[in-house]
Amino acid sequence: ETGVTQSPTHLIKTRGQQVTLRCSSQSGHNTVSWYQQALGQGPQFIFQYYREEENGRGNFPPRFSGLQFPNYSSELNVNALELDDSALYLCASTKASLNYGYTFGSGTRLTVV
Amino acid sequence: GESVGLHLPTLSVQEGDNSIINCAYSNSASDYFIWYKQESGKGPQFIIDIRSNMDKRQGQRVTVLLNKTVKHLSLQIAATQPGDSAVYFCATPPSGSARQLTFGSGTQLTVLP
Repeated sequence: ETGVTQSPTHLIKTRGQQVTLRCSSQSGHNTVSWYQQALGQGPQFIFQYYREEENGRGNFPPRFSGLQFPNYSSELNVNALELDDSALYLCASTKASLNYGYTFGSGTRLTVV
Repeated sequence: GESVGLHLPTLSVQEGDNSIINCAYSNSASDYFIWYKQESGKGPQFIIDIRSNMDKRQGQRVTVLLNKTVKHLSLQIAATQPGDSAVYFCATPPSGSARQLTFGSGTQLTVLP
């Protein structure tokens, strides 16, 4: 059973650019959530996708958007990058029937300069 | 809004001793709590959970205690080992959430030889 895989592992972008982060969910999981984790802080919920639609959103601006594909993999897109977007971005997957039974990936470390 | 917080940002214990990590929450309606362990360079890993109809739950070398009166929970690790060194988070779903989790800020546990 494969876990959650994220790519790339590290990324450096310039302020104002756009970035796409990718996540492959664990086998058998159909729900994907994205979290932002600033240095020294706990993860903060960005949004969740189920059946290719956004199914809940945290307190993040519209320049944070996502997609879920028929194979349940997902992308997180961030437009107009700001310095404060520098963080570890975590993807977590679960089966819709398993309340909160999330498996987290190791994350993508994004640095905005 | 919902919040969870940890009492100490860092905790150092001697190998073989017991560790106690604390967490407070704000919403008395919170009915489910999860403890996660995050090792350096990895995503959070599920340790143990507890529902509000329980006061105590035990796993392998870990025990979670829930005190609903003072809105406090703790994670106890017995016979702490070097592999237990990590950041520990408590998390809870906010009211009306679509399976999102609100995380505390974490406690860095360091096991001393």
